[in-house]
Amino acid sequence: EVQLVESGGVVVQPGGSLRLSCAASGFTFDDHSIHWVRQAPGKGLEWVSIISWDGSKTYYADSVRGRFTISRDNSENSLYLQMNLLRIEDTACYYCAREGSEYALDSWGQGTLVTVSS
Amino acid sequence: DIQMAQSPSTLSASIGDRVTITCRASQNIGSWLAWYQQKPGKAPKLLIYMTSTLESGVPSRFSGSGSGTEFTLTVTSLQPDDFATYYCQQFNTYSFGQGTKVELK
Repeated sequence: EVQLVESGGVVVQPGGSLRLSCAASGFTFDDHSIHWVRQAPGKGLEWVSIISWDGSKTYYADSVRGRFTISRDNSENSLYLQMNLLRIEDTACYYCAREGSEYALDSWGQGTLVTVSS
Repeated sequence: DIQMAQSPSTLSASIGDRVTITCRASQNIGSWLAWYQQKPGKAPKLLIYMTSTLESGVPSRFSGSGSGTEFTLTVTSLQPDDFATYYCQQFNTYSFGQGTKVELK
């Protein structure tokens, strides 16, 4: 069974840093690109970032470029999101999601909540 | 950046109704469009990919169509389990539509 489990969400002050993790199991991790998607409370989905299967290519939404860094460790079947210079508007539930061979996000984690507040 | 305009934002419907949700892309995205269903407190679930291909296990009352810049998700006979929020996503630069909440009339 495909599983993605996010962790690391906490309450952090504006300007602070945080690293989210996503542990994958049940599939060949390095066969897939992986995405981060976030959802602010009561709002819609916002795509955040993608990393290619081997980590050689990364892309970011304009709203996080220069502040967030996506990375992966295929030996540990893990994905990360380093979040720096956090803003109140970064408050959201952060999901990791697997990109299937069909150009869609076919498996999602349960999400981890990041709250940026003073 | 490619913007996705999804409509309506809210849709009130009854059991058995046929409902249609539209997504318009700000530029041509070919057929690289997916649809997701999300229920409160849960992660999104993939329904349709590449515009019209049903994900395994998704009921056949769901269908997708379109190409280029205009896409639709149709539910032919709305069931109680279908009341949820639906999102489109384009797979050129990955942006989502704003979502459509399907609620009971």
